[in-house]
Amino acid sequence: GAGVSQTPSNKVTEKGKYVELRCDPISGHTALYWYRQSLGQGPEFLIYFQGTGAADDSGLPNDRFFAVRPEGSVSTLKIQRTERGDSAVYLCASSLSRGPYNEQFFGPGTRLTVL
Amino acid sequence: AQTVTQSQPEMSVQEAETVTLSCTYDTSESDYYLFWYKQPPSRQMILVIRQEAYKQQNATENRFSVNFQKAAKSFSLKISDSQLGDAAMYFCAYRSALGRDDKIIFGKGTRLHILP
Repeated sequence: GAGVSQTPSNKVTEKGKYVELRCDPISGHTALYWYRQSLGQGPEFLIYFQGTGAADDSGLPNDRFFAVRPEGSVSTLKIQRTERGDSAVYLCASSLSRGPYNEQFFGPGTRLTVL
Repeated sequence: AQTVTQSQPEMSVQEAETVTLSCTYDTSESDYYLFWYKQPPSRQMILVIRQEAYKQQNATENRFSVNFQKAAKSFSLKISDSQLGDAAMYFCAYRSALGRDDKIIFGKGTRLHILP
């Protein structure tokens, strides 16, 4: 079956612009996670959803970052007033439900470049 | 806070040989999971192997096995009969089994090269 998909695959934007990154989870998965992977680093947690609600947004770096999942399926990560330091690969993962016994399946990521 | 440390930024191994990737972690929790993920150039993270902290037996998945030393907080990955397709970044990772904390904490990774 289809895995987690993310669009766009690559996004180049200018400093100060607004961007939206989309994640389509595996059908039927209720938990959805966003991570950010800077160059030469491991992924770092940003936020996760159980259903439509954000269960933990403690990893969002500041109020320029926001994520939604209005219907409990597709999620959008929104970044306002982008800065060069936001350049990274943004990974999305989904799992059947929350909890460590449920494997997180990762998408291929969106590479964001802020010029 | 929990941390994961991988002290080997890069490693190389001859095809068909065995290689061990090191990982240490720090936590005050008693119940947790440890993972090794593989990230090829396609960027997609792939779960290689998982270990539950309360299980003393080391996990194995075909050519992949771990050496889990709970007291030492060490979790190394052994790859036997290395193949060219094993070349990738490998990340050691931690996930709490308690409460609402459901994020995965990753190390910085080890880049593994397979020499033909």
